[in-house]
Amino acid sequence: DGGITQSPKYLFRKEGQNVTLSCEQNLNHDAMYWYRQDPGQGLRLIYYSQIVNDFQKGDIAEGYSVSREKKESFPLTVTSAQKNPTAFYLCASSIGGTSGGGYNEQFFGPGTRLTVL
Amino acid sequence: GDSVTQMEGPVTLSEEAFLTINCTYTATGYPSLFWYVQYPGEGLQLLLKATKADDKGSNKGFEATYRKETTSFHLEKGSVQVSDSAVYFCALRNAGNMLTFGGGTRLMVKP
Repeated sequence: DGGITQSPKYLFRKEGQNVTLSCEQNLNHDAMYWYRQDPGQGLRLIYYSQIVNDFQKGDIAEGYSVSREKKESFPLTVTSAQKNPTAFYLCASSIGGTSGGGYNEQFFGPGTRLTVL
Repeated sequence: GDSVTQMEGPVTLSEEAFLTINCTYTATGYPSLFWYVQYPGEGLQLLLKATKADDKGSNKGFEATYRKETTSFHLEKGSVQVSDSAVYFCALRNAGNMLTFGGGTRLMVKP
């Protein structure tokens, strides 16, 4: 089955620690995205990548870092610089990023809930 | 910049009631509009979409019409079921394929 997997489902972190969230897709999609979800605020874009070895900051990139060494993988690191990291993190992918004209639906993973203790 | 505004929830309905969740947007150009649904503990699933003015998106009994004159994309369903209980997100897509989401509306359907 094709899809997006995120692991772990639940993650606990002590203050001052970095933690990495995994996102893998076997849909052969070029573009991948990371969103943060907080209650009542919808989803906010953290980082996105339209192609391997390239990524751009989204609206709330401070305190986060990403890498895109492989097409199928887009891990997100929540660093100690992120002051309020407790949230639900969602990864998504689409066929293409900014290719003009056509619609490229974003498919979402099941999410990782991060809690800072 | 682009923005999406949804009615705040939770919306609580009895089974078989009529559902409306309001959504309005602000955007430059001609965005595509979407409704996503999130069931408890899960990611988002695309529910329906409309890509131009007056288009009606529909799926699983849900409908929404792209109204350019009122910049709205209200979600409706004639008869809700308990299984429709979820959080619903309205979103728009700009020219760069980036999605802008509303704050989400929680729907609770009681038997």
